[in-house]
Amino acid sequence: AQSVTQLDSHVSVSEGTPVLLRCNYSSSYSPSLFWYVQHPNKGLQLLLKYTSAATLVKGINGFEAEFKKSETSFHLTKPSAHMSDAAEYFCVVRGGGADGLTFGKGTHLIIQP
Amino acid sequence: NAGVTQTPKFRVLKTGQSMTLLCAQDMNHEYMYWYRQDPGMGLRLIHYSVGEGTTAKGEVPDGYNVSRLKKQNFLLGLESAAPSQTSVYFCASRATAYRSGANVLTFGAGSRLTVL
Repeated sequence: AQSVTQLDSHVSVSEGTPVLLRCNYSSSYSPSLFWYVQHPNKGLQLLLKYTSAATLVKGINGFEAEFKKSETSFHLTKPSAHMSDAAEYFCVVRGGGADGLTFGKGTHLIIQP
Repeated sequence: NAGVTQTPKFRVLKTGQSMTLLCAQDMNHEYMYWYRQDPGMGLRLIHYSVGEGTTAKGEVPDGYNVSRLKKQNFLLGLESAAPSQTSVYFCASRATAYRSGANVLTFGAGSRLTVL
């Protein structure tokens, strides 16, 4: 079984400042981890994924995430926030089986001008 | 563009009415999923399918039925809608484990359902 916890339901940052969205996971398997983004009234889009290769994963739009097995974390970061980054972000862990995808409850990222 | 298409995008039902949501994908993906999204709950899996003619229950299957008669289509049915089924429904698909991009879900744009 696996689970994922997004530690903040809302994060507010000023445009141009760094972004940190936190995610902790648990998994009985060697996990695959993902971050998805959902803009208002849209479907979910893949930002990046970790599948046991490099622990620092680069994604689209300047986002990256670091897999830390010792801390069971997969935090999402971006050096400089842009207004277009305002969205809902979901951390997802995949364990075993066809249905083995577990979503976090989401973090709402607010960008202040 | 290739991807996952959901119809309808919006629907309002009265309690007790029935309806079907259609999901179509043109990527030849084997696996298809129906999720519901509610505020503060993330996405919860309703039903899924690992291939044509197969379906399985997810985390919250009660009150829903599904069918996968064709590989490209996955239908979600509500036989007797209840206000608790007011939600945004997302369909997603992905390839099997041995194909490129197998772990990555492709999502539709969502179907917003309101049950009065």
